[in-house]
Amino acid sequence: QKEVEQDPGPLSVPEGAIVSLNCTYSNSAFQYFMWYRQYSRKGPELLMYTYSSGNKEDGRFTAQVDKSSKYISLFIRDSQPSDSATYLCAMPLQGGSEKLVFGKGTKLTVNP
Amino acid sequence: SAVISQKPSRDICQRGTSLTIQCQVDSQVTMMFWYRQQPGQSLTLIATANQGSEATYESGFVIDKFPISRPNLTFSTLTVSNMSPEDSSIYLCSVEDRVPGTAWTYGYTFGSGTRLTVV
Repeated sequence: QKEVEQDPGPLSVPEGAIVSLNCTYSNSAFQYFMWYRQYSRKGPELLMYTYSSGNKEDGRFTAQVDKSSKYISLFIRDSQPSDSATYLCAMPLQGGSEKLVFGKGTKLTVNP
Repeated sequence: SAVISQKPSRDICQRGTSLTIQCQVDSQVTMMFWYRQQPGQSLTLIATANQGSEATYESGFVIDKFPISRPNLTFSTLTVSNMSPEDSSIYLCSVEDRVPGTAWTYGYTFGSGTRLTVV
């Protein structure tokens, strides 16, 4: 079993839809959780960084963490064509200055 | 967040040759990380580079194949040696973003990547 599982999609939605992206993980040592957005031919850019169970909002984006189920989600409200990208979940292996373990990424297309 | 300049952005190389990728950061950082992103696969850490010491390599990656230099706190290079088509991938460098003067990390910044094709 991989440490981080993420459905690679692709996921295609109409503009304005609510998007739900998910990852599961197997290692209880993961305490911090990140979501990155990667546009084609660009490096990943950090969207959200959470370290506690519950929800964290930033504009149209909400990150949700359920440590008891080892499940994290990223919700995008009122999705826009500019949200079309690959979304990757990532977790620092030891919760600090250590390597990141990534999911495979979910490719999202928002159609106008 | 740190700003990283990574070069080259892409290259097509002959098998058996070597390519050196450079990353320049606009601030001093203790550790720099080198990742590989193969099609359909997760980003995978190759090695961690500390200034003034040997890089630490992850399982499956060796120094002879991926030598790393870290001459100062703002610069690092990764060389892909004796390339084969299996080395075709995107290579990325990354640094940790910390609140200055603390050990508090608030994320990691990535370079724009080097898209390598080996023919």
